[in-house]
Amino acid sequence: SQQGEEDPQALSIQEGENATMNCSYKTSINNLQWYRQNSGRGLVHLILIRSNEREKHSGRLRVTLDTSKKSSSLLITASRAADTASYFCAGRSSGNTPLVFGKGTRLSVIA
Amino acid sequence: GAGVSQSPSNKVTEKGKDVELRCDPISGHTALYWYRQSLGQGLEFLIYFQGNSAPDKSGLPSDRFSAERTGGSVSTLTIQRTQQEDSAVYLCASNHLAGPEQFFGPGTRLTVL
Repeated sequence: SQQGEEDPQALSIQEGENATMNCSYKTSINNLQWYRQNSGRGLVHLILIRSNEREKHSGRLRVTLDTSKKSSSLLITASRAADTASYFCAGRSSGNTPLVFGKGTRLSVIA
Repeated sequence: GAGVSQSPSNKVTEKGKDVELRCDPISGHTALYWYRQSLGQGLEFLIYFQGNSAPDKSGLPSDRFSAERTGGSVSTLTIQRTQQEDSAVYLCASNHLAGPEQFFGPGTRLTVL
């Protein structure tokens, strides 16, 4: 079963604009992670936010977490064509338990 | 090696045949995971190995699927009597016991004709 639901399913923006992707999850988590996938292959870890954190930044990425609403958002600022990819949120309940993924948002950044 | 590797990168097989997919995790990573991704979908958990503990097989979709991890390192996912619905990208990931981030391999794209 899938933990998260990303919103929107697809997003198309112009280069330089900001891209916001949202994720809602169902069960309690210890941490929530965002991953990027190019061309339907291996995933690359972007950023992790723990359940006791509300906001985190890494370069052009900003992630927020609202545990009361069981939701998270990923903001990519000043987008570039190279940011075109699918983005997934994944929750982890504890320790090394498997990640539970949403269906992803397909982001297209048009130059 | 520097990252998780998987082989083959692509596999085309006929319905009813058995296939074996291989994963080499990052050296020293005690946890190894197999996921499956159907076209346009998120990742579906299949099986999880942690050290010498019994694997968590709760995600395996049928008894045609099995996996082994030898010597705490390389893992093989076996699908017997493949069906067309088994067509997907099979992804392997590993992580160190101390860290929550998972490192993914490039995946094996399986096509069952």
